[in-house]
Amino acid sequence: GESVGLHLPTLSVQEGDNSIINCAYSNSASDYFIWYKQESGKGPQFIIDIRSNMDKRQGQRVTVLLNKTVKHLSLQIAATQPGDSAVYFCAETLSSPNDYKLSFGAGTTVTVRA
Amino acid sequence: KAGVTQTPRYLIKTRGQQVTLSCSPISGHRSVSWYQQTPGQGLQFLFEYFSETQRNKGNFPGRFSGRQFSNSRSEMNVSTLELGDSALYLCASSLATDNTGELFFGEGSRLTVL
Repeated sequence: GESVGLHLPTLSVQEGDNSIINCAYSNSASDYFIWYKQESGKGPQFIIDIRSNMDKRQGQRVTVLLNKTVKHLSLQIAATQPGDSAVYFCAETLSSPNDYKLSFGAGTTVTVRA
Repeated sequence: KAGVTQTPRYLIKTRGQQVTLSCSPISGHRSVSWYQQTPGQGLQFLFEYFSETQRNKGNFPGRFSGRQFSNSRSEMNVSTLELGDSALYLCASSLATDNTGELFFGEGSRLTVL
């Protein structure tokens, strides 16, 4: 069977390496997922999103993978840089009208080592 | 283009008092959401407004209320403050009329209740 990545509250990564951040979402009906980055003293910042009709989406240095079978989401950051140090949150929601609220995961604190 | 502006950035209140927080969304954005962020509970949805109407509400007591004005600016109010209300209150705005699309967060109002 497929393995599900474990959600870790913290992740330490060597600069230049790839990072993988995992998230397990709770609602099987959710059909829209987003990753946010929050730096110290700032509000969350949108990174990338994915709809449930996709299983992979790529952005600049980031890739989001969605496994609906096991309700798992991951964010891959290529060539991690010091500026990537932050707390990363996954969020889920239903894209139907009148239900615009995001349910956030617990967050993973990423620290990039020089 | 100015981002989401929240005022005040920091405030200290005592138990039993009330507080009003203000949010100015990005120009043209009609949807405004509020979230509470605490170390223990993470990011939790409070409510969302669109065109002066509350479309959705999270699981918070009635002491938490909000409103949106015709210019899309929003306020939230917390009455009879409790120690547990100490948190970072984040406002987010969105251009989307449905439940997808990027949420733009402000830097938050940090409330301390003594």
